[in-house]
Amino acid sequence: NAGVTQTPKFQVLKTGQSMTLQCAQDMNHEYMSWYRQDPGMGLRLIHYSVGAGITDQGEVPNGYNVSRSTTEDFPLRLLSAAPSQTSVYFCASSQLAGGRGTGELFFGEGSRLTVL
Amino acid sequence: GQQLNQSPQSMFIQEGEDVSMNCTSSSIFNTWLWYKQEPGEGPVLLIALYKAGELTSNGRLTAQFGITRKDSFLNISASIPSDVGIYFCAGRKGGSEKLVFGKGMKLTVNP
Repeated sequence: NAGVTQTPKFQVLKTGQSMTLQCAQDMNHEYMSWYRQDPGMGLRLIHYSVGAGITDQGEVPNGYNVSRSTTEDFPLRLLSAAPSQTSVYFCASSQLAGGRGTGELFFGEGSRLTVL
Repeated sequence: GQQLNQSPQSMFIQEGEDVSMNCTSSSIFNTWLWYKQEPGEGPVLLIALYKAGELTSNGRLTAQFGITRKDSFLNISASIPSDVGIYFCAGRKGGSEKLVFGKGMKLTVNP
């Protein structure tokens, strides 16, 4: 069982370039999300999705786009990379918490992005 | 911005010592989760709490869901070198699917 798979693990971009971080999960989770991790800032939510065709913004959505065409995949797109987007990006998925409040988040191994 | 205040931000301890950390919020949460992250990896769930006042253990780890539903703490007893890493608290409000994280507590254990 692969869990949450992110690619690539490392990427270097020049300012203004575009790229897509891929995320796939094989646990049939409805909920998927992207976080960025910066020193001293913890994990900040970029975008999330509660199911195919549904996406919403988190705390820091500017400069990023997402789509959810299937349950399994949730790619994160940087249309015009900036140095401020240098970070480690984590994709995470869970079952929907619903009114029960459950839904433990499972993380991928991360994608380290450097924008020059 | 982030709604969880996690403290302390870092700790340096000797092997065998106990560690305590906590997380507070101005909002009520109905789920508290504690994660550990090791270098180069994604966070891994340690303990999940779903009920106010709940006290849950996982080996040497003990966590509690505060009765006000605005805080949670994690204790690690008799620390060992492999406890090093960053510990995150995370919370979910009622009616929301989003999980909000604290800024993390970096733990260093000296053998």
